[in-house]
Amino acid sequence: LAKTTQPISMDSYEGQEVNITCSHNNIATNDYITWYQQFPSQGPRFIIQGYKTKVTNEVASLFIPADRKSSTLSLPRVSLSDTAVYYCLVGSSGSARQLTFGSGTQLTVLP
Amino acid sequence: GAVVSQHPSWVICKSGTSVKIECRSLDFQATTMFWYRQFPKQSLMLMATSNEGSKATYEQGVEKDKFLINHASLTLSTLTVTSAHPEDSSFYICSAPGPGNYNEQFFGPGTRLTVL
Repeated sequence: LAKTTQPISMDSYEGQEVNITCSHNNIATNDYITWYQQFPSQGPRFIIQGYKTKVTNEVASLFIPADRKSSTLSLPRVSLSDTAVYYCLVGSSGSARQLTFGSGTQLTVLP
Repeated sequence: GAVVSQHPSWVICKSGTSVKIECRSLDFQATTMFWYRQFPKQSLMLMATSNEGSKATYEQGVEKDKFLINHASLTLSTLTVTSAHPEDSSFYICSAPGPGNYNEQFFGPGTRLTVL
């Protein structure tokens, strides 16, 4: 399973766009990139997943360059309730869908 | 979306006792479920893979005799912490691959175990 590297923490203010970048230099051809959000004392929640280029849903966008060695989660106009830990994971269905969590990024949104 | 539940949400027990945690997929079937442990301010650590109809697969360093896993049906996996000790106090989370998206997993809300 590919290892991921993320910033340990980030601060932002309400209404700003937040971009969290994840490095995954050893990503394999079959690997997808998935981001999860976790609030204290709760299970992680799926945010977005992509394989290449750009993916957008109602809560976030995911940008993946052509070499796929990194990805950027973009949260538009964050609010205080977006304060959470964000995990970037890389894996394929061939790995029995196991997920290996890295350290994650603690995002703190300030008023 | 798919829902995974856990029961209980929290439990306090005395040292030396056993505690069972249930993980259920409410609206889909899961032949595989995963159990994680998370200590305060740390990331999730995969403990084991629960397989319906066969033995669980444990990660290196996880004692299979201490953390008993039973995948009783396509919607239920249980984790039993046997002879619990204070160092077993942690947040236990289960997950199951979603029925639609082959790579998406759905997590339970977690169970907070405190061993006195």
